[in-house]
Amino acid sequence: AQSVSQHNHHVILSEAASLELGCNYSYGGTVNLFWYVQYPGQHLQLLLKYFSGDPLVKGIKGFEAEFIKSKFSFNLRKPSVQWSDTAEYFCAVELSGGYNKLIFGAGTRLAVHP
Amino acid sequence: DTAVSQTPKYLVTQMGNDKSIKCEQNLGHDTMYWYKQDSKKFLKIMFSYNNKELIINETVPNRFSPKSPDKAHLNLHINSLELGDSAVYFCASSPRGQRNEQFFGPGTRLTVL
Repeated sequence: AQSVSQHNHHVILSEAASLELGCNYSYGGTVNLFWYVQYPGQHLQLLLKYFSGDPLVKGIKGFEAEFIKSKFSFNLRKPSVQWSDTAEYFCAVELSGGYNKLIFGAGTRLAVHP
Repeated sequence: DTAVSQTPKYLVTQMGNDKSIKCEQNLGHDTMYWYKQDSKKFLKIMFSYNNKELIINETVPNRFSPKSPDKAHLNLHINSLELGDSAVYFCASSPRGQRNEQFFGPGTRLTVL
């Protein structure tokens, strides 16, 4: 069965530190890739998405992600985190050619200390 | 102006009861979803409707029955509630087709005692 793995369950950083959150998926076909964020007390919202083309995609709030097909990975990065980035981050995969069904990873809880 | 709304926000009930959660979207989207987020924050799709037609039905107990009276509404009815049903339930909507952002509601935290 297809699955999405986020290996970092909890990440604690100081402000201005760099961030990289890992996401790997298990599916040999074409996929559409998403990162969603859930700020404390808020609903999930889209950070960025990748379908095709340049494997380095930029999203909102200074986030970017790189798709590496050979590694089945779509890692999220931010050069310098802020306290306001404290949130839960979810990677999601949509299998191309099927219904728009998202398979989510278990999420990574990021805490940024001032 | 709320895009995807859910009611109630919190729901506490006894085992064996029947309850419903309502979802409405004012984005004009054709597709709506129900997700379950367990205590470990794992988010899993339950159902998806496309213009009132069921298109995704994951391995969910048949105690869960979605109902879509029109394409702006997707309600979730749960019969004979069990302890394991305790979770946060999220409604979402999107335009029809793939590669579209899904817009999520605020969630309904269901606690079964």
